[in-house]
Amino acid sequence: DTGVSQDPRHKITKRGQNVTFRCDPISEHNRLYWYRQTLGQGPEFLTYFQNEAQLEKSRLLSDRFSAERPKGSFSTLEIQRTEQGDSAMYLCASSPGTSGDTQYFGPGTRLTVL
Amino acid sequence: LAKTTQPISMDSYEGQEVNITCSHNNIATNDYITWYQQFPSQGPRFIIQGYKTKVTNEVASLFIPADRKSSTLSLPRVSLSDTAVYYCLVGDLNSGYSTLTFGKGTMLLVSP
Repeated sequence: DTGVSQDPRHKITKRGQNVTFRCDPISEHNRLYWYRQTLGQGPEFLTYFQNEAQLEKSRLLSDRFSAERPKGSFSTLEIQRTEQGDSAMYLCASSPGTSGDTQYFGPGTRLTVL
Repeated sequence: LAKTTQPISMDSYEGQEVNITCSHNNIATNDYITWYQQFPSQGPRFIIQGYKTKVTNEVASLFIPADRKSSTLSLPRVSLSDTAVYYCLVGDLNSGYSTLTFGKGTMLLVSP
């Protein structure tokens, strides 16, 4: 399977703990995105990388959230001191970075904060 | 910021053609129109993308009138497995990704 993969698929944690998610994009894609989706809503943009450079961050990305893409390949999203409001599906997408750039999504990581 | 408006839900029966219309009155010159499908607990799946006129692939057709202020996703002969949420997105895919917003989408229910 050469699609976008995410790990883990599910994560249950207690409030105040730190969690880290990983995303592996489609290999030739140089753009990578993180979104958050809550029940009944569409995905909300969090941040975007062009290769290893983080070029945009949404105001939704509070100081407790940090994302990296150290070598321009896989990316990690860390949430520190989790809160119950962080419970959501975290989606990763990648795109080739060409004209009419299409984003392809991974299966998501479902986070539950108790 | 191009905002989209879609029906919240639609109902259909197996074998029928379904047309979902999306309004985007303030679409900008460089904006593309993209449709995604999403099943519960899965990531959105790309369906089709266009800039103007008509685009067709093996899954759907996308009709865009000359003024580009709306677009219609056409699903031919739907089956039960087409029950999903469908999102219309409008945005300049080469800049400003934070402006590419999904909205709540259209929940399509296909019945036998």
